[in-house]
Amino acid sequence: AQTVTQSQPEMSVQEAETVTLSCTYDTSENNYYLFWYKQPPSRQMILVIRQEAYKQQNATENRFSVNFQKAAKSFSLKISDSQLGDTAMYFCAFMKSSNNNDMRFGAGTRLTVKP
Amino acid sequence: ETGVTQTPRHLVMGMTNKKSLKCEQHLGHNAMYWYKQSAKKPLELMFVYNFKEQTENNSVPSRFSPECPNSSHLFLHLHTLQPEDSALYLCASSQVVGEEWNTEAFFGQGTRLTVV
Repeated sequence: AQTVTQSQPEMSVQEAETVTLSCTYDTSENNYYLFWYKQPPSRQMILVIRQEAYKQQNATENRFSVNFQKAAKSFSLKISDSQLGDTAMYFCAFMKSSNNNDMRFGAGTRLTVKP
Repeated sequence: ETGVTQTPRHLVMGMTNKKSLKCEQHLGHNAMYWYKQSAKKPLELMFVYNFKEQTENNSVPSRFSPECPNSSHLFLHLHTLQPEDSALYLCASSQVVGEEWNTEAFFGQGTRLTVV
C-alpha cells in the first residue's frame, strides 16, 4: 500500500516570502502521479500542482513549484512570494498510474501567511 | 465552483436517523469518489465508482451505503451512525481514460456531518 507523509502539521510564513512544504511517500510503483491540493477555509479542495513520475522536470505553476526527487521519494512544494490568500491546508497526494482511482493523501500541513 | 456540488453543506443527525448525502458533478467525468476527512488525519478513501460500478470499498462499515444511479450522481446513505462518524465528507470526480491515465480529482465543498 502507498503511504504519504507530511511531517509539518503547521507552518507560517511572512507575506512575500518563500516557504517549502515537505512530503514523502512510499511506493513500489514506477509510474504514478503526485499532487498538491489546497483546502482553504471554504473547504473546497483545489488542485495546486501535478507531477507525473516519468517526467524528470519539476512542475511549476506560477508561484508554485515542486522539488520532485524520485529516488528519495520526496515531493516538496515551494510557494514563492507568499500571499495572504495562500493561507490554507495543503495536502500532498499520490495516485498510481495503473488501476488507479485510489488517490492517497497525507495528513496535511496548515499554512498561515502573516501580513 | 469546480463543477462538483454537494448537498447539504451541513447535517446534524441522531444515531437512529437515516439521512443521505448527495453529490452531483457537471464535468462529464466517469469516476466518482467518497472521502472522509477527520481532524488531523489523512483523507480516507471510502468508495470509488467507475462507470457507475463500485470498484473500491475500503472496509467501510455497512452503516454507510453508497449509490451511483448514473455517472453524474453519487449518494451516500447513512443509517445508525456513531458519534465518531462525525467528519467532513467529500465527494470527488475524475475522468478515467484507459488503464493508465486519469485526471486529477475535482472535489466538492463537502458535507460537515455531526452525529449526536
